[in-house]
Amino acid sequence: AQKVTQAQTEISVVEKEDVTLDCVYETRDTTYYLFWYKQPPSGELVFLIRRNSFDEQNEISGRYSWNFQKSTSSFNFTITASQVVDSAVYFCALSEPMEYGNKLVFGAGTILRVKS
Amino acid sequence: NAGVTQTPKFRVLKTGQSMTLLCAQDMNHEYMYWYRQDPGMGLRLIHYSVGEGTTAKGEVPDGYNVSRLKKQNFLLGLESAAPSQTSVYFCASSYSGRKNTEAFFGQGTRLTVV
Repeated sequence: AQKVTQAQTEISVVEKEDVTLDCVYETRDTTYYLFWYKQPPSGELVFLIRRNSFDEQNEISGRYSWNFQKSTSSFNFTITASQVVDSAVYFCALSEPMEYGNKLVFGAGTILRVKS
Repeated sequence: NAGVTQTPKFRVLKTGQSMTLLCAQDMNHEYMYWYRQDPGMGLRLIHYSVGEGTTAKGEVPDGYNVSRLKKQNFLLGLESAAPSQTSVYFCASSYSGRKNTEAFFGQGTRLTVV
């Protein structure tokens, strides 16, 4: 079965520091998708990004960037110049086939605390 | 644009009581899901539905039942609540079951069973 490991349980940084959240995955699928979700203190999960297994280009969106390395089965997330509003739980997830369709397999999440 | 709405947001149950969690989505999505979130374990799939009138078991289905009588609603039932079912429950929906499809989540229901 698929597995997602987020080894960092909690990270604390001071505002304006850069921070990288690690994600390592295991899968036997040749085609798969990886996702990052953000869970702010309000509780809902917010979709951030999706990446397919054939596209190893890094992606940048404002202060957010993602580094996908198939050779090391990693999909790491970097926040540049962190802000207090970035404080949240961040989940990495991997698509897994089910009997009907696909589901998301989530890592345990990383709590990010950004202090002013 | 409400997206995915869960009712209630908080609930405390006594062991053995029953309850139903309601999920409603207004995006005309075919797939709907119920996950539970526990500390250190991420989210795990309980049950899901691929369309009106169809449901299937996920990773941790025991102790739960579901129904999808209308496309926009997905109900999660606990017939006899146990302390092990204390968790945060999330409903999600997606327009398809393809592996590249992101899911849209509700705000969660925090359930405590005492």
